[in-house]
Amino acid sequence: DTEVTQTPKHLVMGMTNKKSLKCEQHMGHRAMYWYKQKAKKPPELMFVYSYEKLSINESVPSRFSPECPNSSLLNLHLHALQPEDSALYLCASSQDRSYEQYFGPGTRLTVT
Amino acid sequence: KQEVTQIPAALSVPEGENLVLNCSFTDSAIYNLQWFRQDPGKGLTSLLLIQSSQREQTSGRLNASLDKSSGRSTLYIAASQPGDSATYLCAVNFGNEKLTFGTGTRLTIIP
Repeated sequence: DTEVTQTPKHLVMGMTNKKSLKCEQHMGHRAMYWYKQKAKKPPELMFVYSYEKLSINESVPSRFSPECPNSSLLNLHLHALQPEDSALYLCASSQDRSYEQYFGPGTRLTVT
Repeated sequence: KQEVTQIPAALSVPEGENLVLNCSFTDSAIYNLQWFRQDPGKGLTSLLLIQSSQREQTSGRLNASLDKSSGRSTLYIAASQPGDSATYLCAVNFGNEKLTFGTGTRLTIIP
C-alpha cells in the first residue's frame, strides 16, 4: 500500500480562523513533507520531518505550524492566514530522507 | 544555483504516437531524479525514480533515462493514450534531502 491520505479535501477559512490539515501514512515511512502548490506552478517545499523531528523549515511564516505527533501522522496548523495563502497543500512521505516520495491528494485551501 | 528546467511547457500529440518529455538540471551531482504526473487539482503520482548510479528505469509504457554528464533526463511514453493527458513534473534531489521541481510539461493526447 503506497497511500498517503489527507483531510480535509477542501477547506475555506477566514483570516481570523484557526484550522488544521491532517496527513497520514501507514507505509512505515520515517520522513514526511509539507508542500504548497499555487496554480500552474510546481510544488514548493515547506517543511520536512525526519524520525518525527523537524529537519527542514524553508523559512515558512509562523502562521503555519507543523506538528508530527507520531511516525504515521503529520499535521499543519493554520492561524491568521492571508488570502495569498490560498493554494493546494500537499503532503508526502518517503522511507527515509532522499528516498522516493509518495504524495497525498492534497487539501485545497481557500482563505477569504 | 541548482535549477531544473522542463521544455516545452505544453505539448499536444495525436493518440498512438510515441513521445519524449525533457528535463534538464544545472548540477550533475545529483542523488536521484523522480518523474511525476499530476492531473488537474490532484496530488502527484510517482511514475519512476532513477538513482544517480542508474542510466534508465522502465515501467510499462514508460521509460526514463538519466545522463548526469549532460544534465538531462528524458521520459519516453510509448503508444500514447488519452488517459496520459496530464502535467508531467521532473524533480531532482541534489543530495540536500529536498526535491527541486521543474515547472512541468502539460501533455495533451488528441483522440
